Amino acid sequence: EVQLVESGGGLVQPGGSLRLSCAASGFIFSSYEMNWVRQAPGKGLEWVSYISGSDNTIYYADSVKGRFTISRDNAKNSLYLQMNSLRAEDTGVYYCAKYGVPEQWGQGALVTVSS
Amino acid sequence: QSVLTQPPSASGTPGQSVTISCSGTSSSIGSNSVNWYQQVPGTAPKLLISINNQRPSGVPDRFSGSKSGTSASLAISGLHSADEADYYCAAWDDSLNGPVFGGGTKLTVL
Repeated sequence: EVQLVESGGGLVQPGGSLRLSCAASGFIFSSYEMNWVRQAPGKGLEWVSYISGSDNTIYYADSVKGRFTISRDNAKNSLYLQMNSLRAEDTGVYYCAKYGVPEQWGQGALVTVSS
Repeated sequence: QSVLTQPPSASGTPGQSVTISCSGTSSSIGSNSVNWYQQVPGTAPKLLISINNQRPSGVPDRFSGSKSGTSASLAISGLHSADEADYYCAAWDDSLNGPVFGGGTKLTVL
């Protein structure tokens, strides 16, 4: 059974940093592209970043480009999102999701950017 | 503003059928397959339909998907009260180099 478990969310001040992690199990992690997708309170789903299975191809949404960095450690079956220069509009639940167009989703990690 | 366009709301009575539309562009739905998700508030999205019309194991056959050109549809037959949720479409976008989502449709079972 595919499992994706996010961690690292929390309350951070504007301009601060946070690192999200996603622990994957139940599939050959290195073979699959992964995404981070977020959802602001009461809003819809917004794609944040994509990384290929081999780590060679990375894409970002314009809203986070230059501030967020996606990475993965295939030896640890883990996906990461380093978030810097956080803004209030980055507040929301962050999901890691398997596949280019997501199929399996984690339970989400809440990130709150507020002073 | 979402890249894919969905109606904000839909409704039906128990037993009825409802269809939710999803409109995209040549670089999204026009070139790639569509997924549909169901999300109950406070929980993660759940895959309902993949590759336009494929149901994952465990998804009832009351749910079906179709695609034509730059649009797609999700049909739900025999509505249950448990079907009340938000529904999202998604597709890869070749111009944006990422998946794009519809704004979501809130389904109410009256």
